[in-house]
Amino acid sequence: DTAVSQTPKYLVTQMGNDKSIKCEQNLGHDTMYWYKQDSKKFLKIMFSYNNKELIINETVPNRFSPKSPDKAHLNLHINSLELGDSAVYFCASSQDRGDTQYFGPGTRLTVL
Amino acid sequence: GEDVEQSLFLSVREGDSSVINCTYTDSSSTYLYWYKQEPGAGLQLLTYIFSNMDMKQDQRLTVLLNKKDKHLSLRIADTQTGDSAIYFCAESKKNTGFQKLVFGTGTRLLVSP
Repeated sequence: DTAVSQTPKYLVTQMGNDKSIKCEQNLGHDTMYWYKQDSKKFLKIMFSYNNKELIINETVPNRFSPKSPDKAHLNLHINSLELGDSAVYFCASSQDRGDTQYFGPGTRLTVL
Repeated sequence: GEDVEQSLFLSVREGDSSVINCTYTDSSSTYLYWYKQEPGAGLQLLTYIFSNMDMKQDQRLTVLLNKKDKHLSLRIADTQTGDSAIYFCAESKKNTGFQKLVFGTGTRLLVSP
């Protein structure tokens, strides 16, 4: 009955690798988001999709590519991972682009 | 800038009231939110307030909004050890017609028995 789910929960990988994080929501929401939380717990939006279309891209390096195969899923693919990409990545969704956002449990990415 | 500011730490005893403060930047923010993050967990929506309200109460939680000073506070009555967590305020900002949430720096609340 999880509303917003993410896989994997933990991801440990080497610099230079390519990895993906998956997000799914079963709330019937139209808008989905990716946030990054750094080691100081600072949270910042990265992307937002509304009905599979990109609506917010917050100057994230183009090594990060979100993909939305349908409006219930928003995956995050990261190429050529760098040490500074280590963080917790949160997916969220909302009914519409201005509504309350509900967050997933997070994926802790560690780049060695 | 986009800074939403909160004090970093708050320590209280069980049974006391806790007040967590936040100052935000965008006077046109429609909604302001409080989220709770327990250790190793995701963000849980606690409550939110619409910008035309001054106060909202929800069981042990009271949110106060001072639009003139762009100041938001969260009061937790009868604080319990289970309330120990990081609390984030967030303002909604318009971004070319779409909303995005800008989060504060988070306040770590420690409740001692």
